[in-house]
Amino acid sequence: GQQVMQIPQYQHVQEGEDFTTYCNSSTTLSNIQWYKQRPGGHPVFLIQLVKSGEVKKQKRLTFQFGEAKKNSSLHITATQTTDVGTYFCAGTSQINAGNNRKLIWGLGTSLAVNP
Amino acid sequence: DSGVTQTPKHLITATGQRVTLRCSPRSGDLSVYWYQQSLDQGLQFLIQYYNGEERAKGNILERFSAQQFPDLHSELNLSSLELGDSALYFCASSVASLGHSTDTQYFGPGTRLTVL
Repeated sequence: GQQVMQIPQYQHVQEGEDFTTYCNSSTTLSNIQWYKQRPGGHPVFLIQLVKSGEVKKQKRLTFQFGEAKKNSSLHITATQTTDVGTYFCAGTSQINAGNNRKLIWGLGTSLAVNP
Repeated sequence: DSGVTQTPKHLITATGQRVTLRCSPRSGDLSVYWYQQSLDQGLQFLIQYYNGEERAKGNILERFSAQQFPDLHSELNLSSLELGDSALYFCASSVASLGHSTDTQYFGPGTRLTVL
């Protein structure tokens, strides 16, 4: 079946270090979304990427969508303690890019930041 | 505050019992999604409703069922509960699915279910 693999599962960094999480799909994606879930909270939408090779930035966060639309990454520059949480990617497979837009979720990367 | 409400916040029950979780979507959102999140696990998509009709099904057990009512609120029914059903259950809502992008999903605060 369609799968979205996300690595690493966990990452501990010192405050100020950079962090990257990667998302790889077994099928070509129509688009990919990123969500952040703070400890004890609920997932919150961060961004959506649609175009091949697309790069979007939100302050210290950089999101990329691969040229083949099968992978994506989220890079955080100079992490802060407020970045702590689990980052999920979720993609819509192109073969489902009709009325049945089921998101396929990665298992998430949990980020811990040591002050 | 996402605008999605879920009740109850916490639910403690015994094995074999049945519970109903309730979700009210954001005003104007037609789609409702249900997810299960176990401890240290990712989000498991259960089911989606759009304007009262089932739109997509994920890893939902036969013991679980859901529906979306004319006022667009949704209920997730969990029956014959087992210890392994203990989890956080999230509801999310979105406007509709059109065009080449996929809707942003707005998540509620979740219902934490504990089965003893």
